[in-house]
Amino acid sequence: EVLLVESGGGLVKPGGSLRLSCAASGFTFSNAWMTWVRQAPGMGLEWVGRIKSKSNGGTTYYAAALKNRFTISRDDSKNTVDLQMNSLETEDTGVYYCVMGIAGHWDDAFDMWGQGTMVTVSS
Amino acid sequence: QSALTQPASVSGSPGQSITISCTGTSSDVGGYNYVSWYQQHPGKAPKLVIYEVNNRPSGVSYRFSGSKSGNTASLTISGLQTEDEADYYCGSYTLRNTLVVFGGGTKLTVL
Repeated sequence: EVLLVESGGGLVKPGGSLRLSCAASGFTFSNAWMTWVRQAPGMGLEWVGRIKSKSNGGTTYYAAALKNRFTISRDDSKNTVDLQMNSLETEDTGVYYCVMGIAGHWDDAFDMWGQGTMVTVSS
Repeated sequence: QSALTQPASVSGSPGQSITISCTGTSSDVGGYNYVSWYQQHPGKAPKLVIYEVNNRPSGVSYRFSGSKSGNTASLTISGLQTEDEADYYCGSYTLRNTLVVFGGGTKLTVL
């Protein structure tokens, strides 16, 4: 069974940092391109960023508005993908999902989602 | 303000069919056949119901179908069931400031 389990969410003050982690199991993690999607309370989905598999260069791509503050990394030895978030703003509040696309549709068909972890940015 | 435009709400009775539209631009919906649709029940993670405009993932009911014309994609749910009541989001591949843009979501009510 494919499982994605996020952790690391919580309450942080504006300007602070937070590191989210996603533990994957049930599939060959090293082959997967992993994505983060977030959802503000009562709002729609927002694509955050993606990291390719190392065999495809391990390159990252971010939403332009987040590029300078968010960083995605992966550890294939631990089957984890992390999202480092710096200079957090109140608008970053929301549920953050770790997501995986269908093989061959890594960037456009997200069929595996974690349960999400809540990030609250507030003073 | 979301990049893709969806109606805020639609409704239908059990057994009926409904269609949800998703309007973008030539930089997203109109430019690629990589439109997907997601169903989200309250407090749950989204679930993929359609990808690549009109493909259903394994396990998704045949009652869900997708189409596209120009810059507008559509999700049709036939034979409405009470469990279809949920929020629905469209998504499209793009290379404009991001890789994927989503719609603002449509709340489906099954009366």
